[in-house]
Amino acid sequence: AQSVTQLGSHVSVSEGALVLLRCNYSSSVPPYLFWYVQYPNQGLQLLLKYTSAATLVKGINGFEAEFKKSETSFHLTKPSAHMSDAAEYFCAVSYNQGGKLIFGQGTELSVKP
Amino acid sequence: AAGVIQSPRHLIKEKRETATLKCYPIPRHDTVYWYQQGPGQDPQFLISFYEKMQSDKGSIPDRFSAQQFSDYHSELNMSSLELGDSALYFCASSDSRQGASGELFFGEGSRLTVL
Repeated sequence: AQSVTQLGSHVSVSEGALVLLRCNYSSSVPPYLFWYVQYPNQGLQLLLKYTSAATLVKGINGFEAEFKKSETSFHLTKPSAHMSDAAEYFCAVSYNQGGKLIFGQGTELSVKP
Repeated sequence: AAGVIQSPRHLIKEKRETATLKCYPIPRHDTVYWYQQGPGQDPQFLISFYEKMQSDKGSIPDRFSAQQFSDYHSELNMSSLELGDSALYFCASSDSRQGASGELFFGEGSRLTVL
């Protein structure tokens, strides 16, 4: 089945430290990949998306992700964490023209002062 | 810019009651998706509509039904509510001309609590 797997349900970093949230997908065809962020009691906001134009994708709030076909990965990074980055992050994949997203299990990011 | 509007934002129902959630997509978006997010869970796809026709179906219970109207808004009807239906229900919309690479724009969700 088509899916994404996020390694680590909870990641904690110090303010100013590197953020690395892991996402691996399963697919025999090139997928479209997305990272969404969800703040408490809010909807899902798109951070960035991979649509085959470039393997390194830059998103909002200083986040970026690199598509690595050989590793079937699409890890999310940010060089320096801010307190405001604390949220739930979801990796998602879409394969067909219907655009339906399949979400990973989510990773809760905590940022310590 | 206009976003996806969902109503109501909060809803409390008793077991075996019915509930209706509404979703108003972004203007000119022709596709609507419904997702269910249980506590601490990832969003699960329920159903989608394109141009008022069901386009895909996920893990939607038979007790639930949905439709998209001529003005493109959508309603999710839930009957014989169970405690396990307590969740955050998201609606998202997209422009089908973007294909699978198009972004889904999510509403802020409707939180259903079944007592």
